[in-house]
Amino acid sequence: AQSVTQPDIHITVSEGASLELRCNYSYGATPYLFWYVQSPGQGLQLLLKYFSGDTLVQGIKGFEAEFKRSQSSFNLRKPSVHWSDAAEYFCALKRGGNKLTFGTGTQLKVEL
Amino acid sequence: DADVTQTPRNRITKTGKRIMLECSQTKGHDRMYWYRQDPGLGLQLIYYSFDVKDINKGEISDGYSVSRQAQAKFSLSLESAIPNQTALYFCATSDADYNEQFFGPGTRLTVL
Repeated sequence: AQSVTQPDIHITVSEGASLELRCNYSYGATPYLFWYVQSPGQGLQLLLKYFSGDTLVQGIKGFEAEFKRSQSSFNLRKPSVHWSDAAEYFCALKRGGNKLTFGTGTQLKVEL
Repeated sequence: DADVTQTPRNRITKTGKRIMLECSQTKGHDRMYWYRQDPGLGLQLIYYSFDVKDINKGEISDGYSVSRQAQAKFSLSLESAIPNQTALYFCATSDADYNEQFFGPGTRLTVL
C-alpha cells in the first residue's frame, strides 16, 4: 500500500539555522513526490517535486529536497531558515490518476 | 484574482443541516479534487473528477456528495451535516497527469 510518513510533528529551529524535514514513503513503483507548504490561513503551495532524473531537486524559497531510493526518503532542506518559513509542511506521493497521498505534516516554528 | 476560489471561507452550521461548499477555477484544468484536513491527519481525498462526466469517490466519501456543474465548478455537499465533519476543506485542480495540484484557500466548516 502507498503511504507517506513524516516522523516529526513539530520542529523548532532558530532563524538562520539549517533545516531538514523528514519524509519516508512506501510505494511499489517509481514514486512521484512533492513537498507543499501551508502558511496559516492559506491553501497549500507547491515547494518542489520529484518525478525522475537528478535526485537533488531545487524548489522555491530556497528549499531543496533529495530523493534517496535506498532509504525510501525525500527529505526537505534549507540552509538558512527565515522567520517567514514558519508554516506546516506536507510531503505527498502521487498515486494513479494524479491522486495524492499526504503525510500528516510537520509544523515548523522559527525562533528569532 | 485567485486561480482557485472557494466559497464560503468559513461556515458554522448545525447538525442535520444540508450545506454546500463551492469551488471555482480559472486555470482551465480538467481535473478537480476535494480534500478534508483534520489536525494530525494531513489531507484526505473525498471526491475527484477528471472531467464533467467523470466523478469518483476518494477514501472518505461517506456522508458527502459532489456535483461538477462545468469544467470550472466543482461543489461538495453534506446532505446532513454531523459534528465529526468539522474540518478544513480544500479544493484542488490539476491538468495532465504528473503535474502539480493547485489548491484553493480552504473552507473552515464547523458543525455544532
